[in-house]
Amino acid sequence: NAGVTQTPKFRVLKTGQSMTLLCAQDMNHEYMYWYRQDPGMGLRLIHYSVGEGTTAKGEVPDGYNVSRLKKQNFLLGLESAAPSQTSVYFCASRSIDRNNSPLHFGNGTRLTVT
Amino acid sequence: QKEVEQDPGPLSVPEGAIVSLNCTYSNSAFQYFMWYRQYSRKGPELLMYTYSSGNKEDGRFTAQVDKSSKYISLFIRDSQPSDSATYLCAIRSLGDDKIIFGKGTRLHILP
Repeated sequence: NAGVTQTPKFRVLKTGQSMTLLCAQDMNHEYMYWYRQDPGMGLRLIHYSVGEGTTAKGEVPDGYNVSRLKKQNFLLGLESAAPSQTSVYFCASRSIDRNNSPLHFGNGTRLTVT
Repeated sequence: QKEVEQDPGPLSVPEGAIVSLNCTYSNSAFQYFMWYRQYSRKGPELLMYTYSSGNKEDGRFTAQVDKSSKYISLFIRDSQPSDSATYLCAIRSLGDDKIIFGKGTRLHILP
């Protein structure tokens, strides 16, 4: 049981390049989230998904796209990377229940855009 | 005004001291309150959660919520060097799928 796995762990991009970050969870969770974490800014929600085939915008969605074609995977895409997208990206998942189920996080992808 | 405010610190205290970490929030619709701990180069992990005003205790950790003041706190008793981490508060409204985080407070426990 690996929990939430993010690939790649590190990546350096040049401005204008594209890439996809992959998040995979093996806990059969319905909800998945993408956050970015920047110094002094905390965790900010980019996009999230409440189930296979559904996505929704978070606080900072511009410049990113997402897809949830399979329940266990949530992909974050950068079509044309910009230096402002240099950040640590965290994926998280949680199950549906009546009370508050916790977020389970991956260990992050460190992205540098030059 | 951000939905949740948290002092980023850093906060340095000697080993064995009581630590108090705090957040304020702006929307009275928030019902669920969480504290996450994040070690360097790792993802956050849930430490405590509560959905009502009052105190919730778990070992050396106590989470406190005051809905009338929109104020949440985390207390750490008998602090240890292993408690050195960033602590993030998080909040969610009933029926809302988004979880909003504070900026996090960096805590250093000095041996």
